Amino acid sequence: AQSVTQLDSQVPVFEEAPVELRCNYSSSVSVYLFWYVQYPNQGLQLLLKYLSGSTLVKGINGFEAEFNKSQTSFHLRKPSVHISDTAEYFCAVSEIQGAQKLVFGQGTRLTINP
Amino acid sequence: EADIYQTPRYLVIGTGKKITLECSQTMGHDKMYWYQQDPGMELHLIHYSYGVNSTEKGDLSSESTVSRIRTEHFPLTLESARPSHTSQYLCASAPDPVYEQYFGPGTRLTVT
Repeated sequence: AQSVTQLDSQVPVFEEAPVELRCNYSSSVSVYLFWYVQYPNQGLQLLLKYLSGSTLVKGINGFEAEFNKSQTSFHLRKPSVHISDTAEYFCAVSEIQGAQKLVFGQGTRLTINP
Repeated sequence: EADIYQTPRYLVIGTGKKITLECSQTMGHDKMYWYQQDPGMELHLIHYSYGVNSTEKGDLSSESTVSRIRTEHFPLTLESARPSHTSQYLCASAPDPVYEQYFGPGTRLTVT
């Protein structure tokens, strides 16, 4: 079974500042890793994913994440945030085979202050 | 752009009513999923399907049921709604193999 822990439930940041949202996971099998974003009253949108290969993954809206196998982490970063980045962010893992169900972390609420 | 639709978007209903939440996708995806999102944000898988005539229960126990008679359609039914069913329900689909799940906009259900 897999589990995901997002270490911060809320992260307030000033506009144009850098941000890091932390995610650790636990799994006995190989997994794919994802970050999703949820804007108010909407579904989830994929920001980026790690399937294999380079451990630094670039996504949409200037976000990137680094897969660290030894630390079982997949932290999300952005060098300069914008007001429009205010949203909920979810880290998730899925098995590589089988049903490939997503297991989500608890979510991090990113609030950008002007 | 993924094409996955959920109706209704918002539903307020009284205790004891039967309800069906609709989910449709036009991408021909084999795998479909239902997630329940608590008011505190966390999402849990409640049902999934590998394809037509396949349904499985997810990690979170749910009193709801699902069916998969057509590839594009994956409705969720509550026979008798209760206040504890108040939540947001998100539907997703994915091709096989799954490298990404595509989410619908969600249905926010309130049972009074």
